[in-house]
Amino acid sequence: EVQLLESGGGLVQPGGSLRLSCAASGFDFSSQAMTWVRQAPGKGLEWVSFISASGGTTFYADSVKGRFTISRDNSENTLYLQMDSLRAEDTAVFYCATNLRTPPNYFDYCGQGTLVTVSS
Amino acid sequence: IQLTQSPSSLSASVGDRVTITCRASQGIGSYLAWYQQKPGKAPKLLIYGASTLESGVPSRFSGSGSGTDFTLTISSLQPEDFATYHCQQVKSYPLTFGGGTKVEVK
Repeated sequence: EVQLLESGGGLVQPGGSLRLSCAASGFDFSSQAMTWVRQAPGKGLEWVSFISASGGTTFYADSVKGRFTISRDNSENTLYLQMDSLRAEDTAVFYCATNLRTPPNYFDYCGQGTLVTVSS
Repeated sequence: IQLTQSPSSLSASVGDRVTITCRASQGIGSYLAWYQQKPGKAPKLLIYGASTLESGVPSRFSGSGSGTDFTLTISSLQPEDFATYHCQQVKSYPLTFGGGTKVEVK
């Protein structure tokens, strides 16, 4: 069974840092590109970042570029999102996602999400 | 690429035919997906490639369009279909989503 399990969310002060993790199981993680998507409370979905299967290629939304870093550990089947210089507008549920049976960037699998709250 | 969904919300009854539109700010071919999301849950892929039904999705859902104008249609709304629907373009980075359409009980 495919599982994506996010963790690491919580309450952090503006300017602070947080590292999210996404533990993957049930598929060949090292062969899959991965993505982070977020959703602010009561708002729509926002694509955040992409990383290729090898980790050699990454993309970021302009809203997080220079502050967030996506990475992965294929030996541990885990995806990460290092979030620095956090702002109130980063408050959101963060989902990790991938495509296993669909063409690239159509997310047929998403985790349950982890909530990040940036507030003083 | 900006995606504009309309309406932002709608009220409908079980059995109704429901249509949601998504307009792209520039041509994206057929590089469009539709997701369904229920409160507190992750989005669920319904349609990709503008018109290809994801495995396991009921056939009352259909998608059409290409270029800049796209449509999601639910032919006969069922109780489990009350949810928010999002379109997404995968033509180019940054990937973008529409603002969502909430389908509510009339």
